[in-house]
Amino acid sequence: TQLLEQSPQFLSIQEGENLTVYCNSSSVFSSLQWYRQEPGEGPVLLVTVVTGGEVKKLKRLTFQFGDARKDSSLHITAAQPGDTGLYLCAAYSGGSNYKLTFGKGTLLTVNP
Amino acid sequence: KAGVTQTPRYLIKTRGQQVTLSCSPISGHRSVSWYQQTPGQGLQFLFEYFSETQRNKGNFPGRFSGRQFSNSRSEMNVSTLELGDSALYLCASSLAPRGASPLHFGNGTRLTVT
Repeated sequence: TQLLEQSPQFLSIQEGENLTVYCNSSSVFSSLQWYRQEPGEGPVLLVTVVTGGEVKKLKRLTFQFGDARKDSSLHITAAQPGDTGLYLCAAYSGGSNYKLTFGKGTLLTVNP
Repeated sequence: KAGVTQTPRYLIKTRGQQVTLSCSPISGHRSVSWYQQTPGQGLQFLFEYFSETQRNKGNFPGRFSGRQFSNSRSEMNVSTLELGDSALYLCASSLAPRGASPLHFGNGTRLTVT
């Protein structure tokens, strides 16, 4: 069973600061997804990274897929209170029981 | 376009009872997946349905079951509720199963078992 480990588990920062959260595994993935979940809502897909070494940008968010496709990072520049939420990475496991496995997430709080 | 709708939003049940949760997917989406979210275990996959057939199942006991109707709406049932079943149950819909298209999540049903 593949395991996605996210760090840090909790992060509290001030508005305007930069931050990076990580998603690591011993398994190789064909692709990896990042979601953000706000309180009282379901997760929303932010990005899917597919190619080793790939970098994708979504406004102030930068996503990177490791060269070996075992890890990924999410960097937020000049964080804003609206970035507050639970950031989850997820990947599909192969085989007959194909399913989406999630990390436990990084809970980010951006204070004004 | 309406999103994924889950009902009810909140539910309080007693140990030993059973519960049925409902999920209406985005129009045109034929695949529905269910997840359980708890603080300790995070998001865990329960099962996936496509064209009224269960395609995949997670590692949950047989007390957890589901079904999908011809209009793609889905229900999940939990029988003989235990305290540990207290969780947020999330439903997600997609155009196709097994990761072929992105998942769209509903806002969940918060189940509390007392």
